[in-house]
Amino acid sequence: DTAVSQTPKYLVTQMGNDKSIKCEQNLGHDTMYWYKQDSKKFLKIMFSYNNKELIINETVPNRFSPKSPDKAHLNLHINSLELGDSAVYFCASSQDRAGANNRDGYTFGSGTRLTVV
Amino acid sequence: GNSVTQMEGPVTLSEEAFLTINCTYTATGYPSLFWYVQYPGEGLQLLLKATKADDKGSNKGFEATYRKETTSFHLEKGSVQVSDSAVYFCALRGFNKFYFGSGTKLNVKP
Repeated sequence: DTAVSQTPKYLVTQMGNDKSIKCEQNLGHDTMYWYKQDSKKFLKIMFSYNNKELIINETVPNRFSPKSPDKAHLNLHINSLELGDSAVYFCASSQDRAGANNRDGYTFGSGTRLTVV
Repeated sequence: GNSVTQMEGPVTLSEEAFLTINCTYTATGYPSLFWYVQYPGEGLQLLLKATKADDKGSNKGFEATYRKETTSFHLEKGSVQVSDSAVYFCALRGFNKFYFGSGTKLNVKP
């Protein structure tokens, strides 16, 4: 199936731990994103990578570090987890042309529900 | 700047009722507009889109028309089903960035 896939789907961990969420897309897209969805369903972009290059880095604590080994993968590593990091994290991808006014939608993964206890 | 405002929920309707979820936007330039749907426990799925003024996006009985004069992209469906219960997000795509509304939860009762 062509898709954006994230692992794990659920992640429960203690405060202070370090964890990673993985994302892979087999759509041939060259841009990938991480979004955070809070308990009120509000979506906030965190990062965007185009062909392994960071292009969007919103105001996110330094504890969050994205890593893109190739354009099909964008992983999210979180250090020293805090209670406020509990949320659903979505990976997404799109096919964009650099420097163009791109008009297509994003394809989202099914999300990773992170619970910090 | 770019932003999207959509009506607060939850919206509760009986099956076969008419649905409208309001969405207005502010944007520089000429963005594309989208509606996404999120079913419980799932990710966001693209429901429909419109890329220029007066375009109508439609899918699964849902429709929305890109109205530049009123800067709106309201979502409508003539007869909702229980299976339409979900959270609906209006969004616009500016230059290389998506802007999402806050989401509207729809509950459809049998």
